[in-house]
Amino acid sequence: DTAVSQTPKYLVTQMGNDKSIKCEQNLGHDTMYWYKQDSKKFLKIMFSYNNKELIINETVPNRFSPKSPDKAHLNLHINSLELGDSAVYFCASSQRGQRPNEQYFGPGTRLTVT
Amino acid sequence: GQQVMQIPQYQHVQEGEDFTTYCNSSTTLSNIQWYKQRPGGHPVFLIQLVKSGEVKKQKRLTFQFGEAKKNSSLHITATQTTDVGTYFCAGQGAGNMLTFGGGTRLMVKP
Repeated sequence: DTAVSQTPKYLVTQMGNDKSIKCEQNLGHDTMYWYKQDSKKFLKIMFSYNNKELIINETVPNRFSPKSPDKAHLNLHINSLELGDSAVYFCASSQRGQRPNEQYFGPGTRLTVT
Repeated sequence: GQQVMQIPQYQHVQEGEDFTTYCNSSTTLSNIQWYKQRPGGHPVFLIQLVKSGEVKKQKRLTFQFGEAKKNSSLHITATQTTDVGTYFCAGQGAGNMLTFGGGTRLMVKP
């Protein structure tokens, strides 16, 4: 069974479009995250979210918004896509208070903006 | 904000040679985690270090956490081609957020 899944795996779209990436975890974790990995492999946290608190990395443009319909899902919506948004986006989850509190990553969504 | 630096960025080794990557945080950490990302894959958790001066081993991998809880290292003894990938350290401060280092990409020549 896949612990953290993302759809789609690949997404090619044009500048200015709006798109969403979906993420689901079946681990029963209470916290989910979105990361952006650029072409140089830098992994940058974008959001951390549990049912009470959304923490936003202040460097993330407000064109990006996380949406959580329930505890097992955290989708990423992107408005007005730009060329610089091209990257691999990873969803992850973890459980607060667990030792170790490792994060489980999804397989990634490769976004290409043309 | 918290910054985590990792060196080297790249390392080419001959199979059988040792490999070390180093991680430094600008702030004291509550714990440090290490992840491995195979080419085309996603980061996979390796280990978490919590205590000052802690040393943990996983087969040929040795992980250390500095006394001041601001630096860490991963050492691989006698590398194999299966060790290829990018190794990330990730520091955790007071909250749940992890700050990842830039990663060290390890390439192993057979």
